[in-house]
Amino acid sequence: NAGVTQTPKFRVLKTGQSMTLLCAQDMNHEYMYWYRQDPGMGLRLIHYSVGEGTTAKGEVPDGYNVSRLKKQNFLLGLESAAPSQTSVYFCASQPLSNQPQHFGDGTRLSIL
Amino acid sequence: EDQVTQSPEALRLQEGESSSLNCSYTVSGLRGLFWYRQDPGKGPEFLFTLYSAGEEKEKERLKATLTKKESFLHITAPKPEDSATYLCAVRSGVFNFNKFYFGSGTKLNVKP
Repeated sequence: NAGVTQTPKFRVLKTGQSMTLLCAQDMNHEYMYWYRQDPGMGLRLIHYSVGEGTTAKGEVPDGYNVSRLKKQNFLLGLESAAPSQTSVYFCASQPLSNQPQHFGDGTRLSIL
Repeated sequence: EDQVTQSPEALRLQEGESSSLNCSYTVSGLRGLFWYRQDPGKGPEFLFTLYSAGEEKEKERLKATLTKKESFLHITAPKPEDSATYLCAVRSGVFNFNKFYFGSGTKLNVKP
């Protein structure tokens, strides 16, 4: 049982480049989330989705876009990468709104 | 403003030395407090959910408790394999019902 799978696991970008992070879940969960984790700051919500075809902004959405064209996939895009976006990105899925989230193992992104 | 604060930031224990981790919160309408364990290079792994003051949950050497202002994660006779970062998160149910607010974590190191 794969759970939540994030692709890629590591990536190095140059400032101004674009890329897409992929999150896939095989648990048929309705809700999906993208977080970033920085030292001393905890997990901060970037965007989330309450179902296929829906997205909403979280706490730190600037510089990111998302899409949820299929229920099992949630994509996070960086249009023009900046050094401030160097972080570890975690995707999570959730079956119902008051149940715990299930996390992937993260994408470590460095922007030079 | 919804806020979650964890203390201490780091805790070093000898094997068998019991202690407690703290998670204090200020949210508008608590809809759940969640404890997670995070190992290096991995995503958070769910431990417990607490919904109301006075509630307690146990799992092996871990026991989570909840009051109206804070939660404690008690670790009884810890072992080296309990070493990890412990995160707490709260779900606010007033306006941001799909947003979870995470603390920055307590890094626990248990020495043999």
